[in-house]
Amino acid sequence: AAGVIQSPRHLIKEKRETATLKCYPIPRHDTVYWYQQGPGQDPQFLISFYEKMQSDKGSIPDRFSAQQFSDYHSELNMSSLELGDSALYFCASSLRRQLRGETQYFGPGTRLLVL
Amino acid sequence: GEDVEQSLFLSVREGDSSVINCTYTDSSSTYLYWYKQEPGAGLQLLTYIFSNMDMKQDQRLTVLLNKKDKHLSLRIADTQTGDSAIYFCAESKPGNQFYFGTGTSLTVIP
Repeated sequence: AAGVIQSPRHLIKEKRETATLKCYPIPRHDTVYWYQQGPGQDPQFLISFYEKMQSDKGSIPDRFSAQQFSDYHSELNMSSLELGDSALYFCASSLRRQLRGETQYFGPGTRLLVL
Repeated sequence: GEDVEQSLFLSVREGDSSVINCTYTDSSSTYLYWYKQEPGAGLQLLTYIFSNMDMKQDQRLTVLLNKKDKHLSLRIADTQTGDSAIYFCAESKPGNQFYFGTGTSLTVIP
């Protein structure tokens, strides 16, 4: 079965650069979530989109923005990168209209290293 | 309150049972989940339980939910070395974000 796809899997950037992370949800899923997991930390929610509209907002810095496109893929744009942005970034997708509940399926993550 | 807490480490011998515990604070949570994360890998959904259930069993996995005490546990029977990973519990309400616990690092000793 198709899973959540994230690209790139690894990314190295320098301070003050920009980065774009991409997420392709499971086919027919309508909701995308972004999480940030620092070293040794639990995943922290950043932002979510339902049917291409922002649904919920967590601890996403103002330097970051995200959107969901007509094909339901999502991109997380990160500007003015800081050393502390080095983390594993997960995307998850779900089918919100699913009556039995909303299970989030996670992608493999993008490991971002800021030097 | 979206505090979800877990003990950080657990070591068991191969073949024994593992019990990973989780406490949460949001009594309105609808679903509670267990995810497994192997080193450098993504989060793999193991199982989930609806808040009106007390127990769910799926092969070697048994989830127990004590809603009164807001306590969730995951029991892994006949633990194998391949079960060594970090286990996260998470709570959610429909349409809302997940709140993850701190993760429990399970080490299985051969």
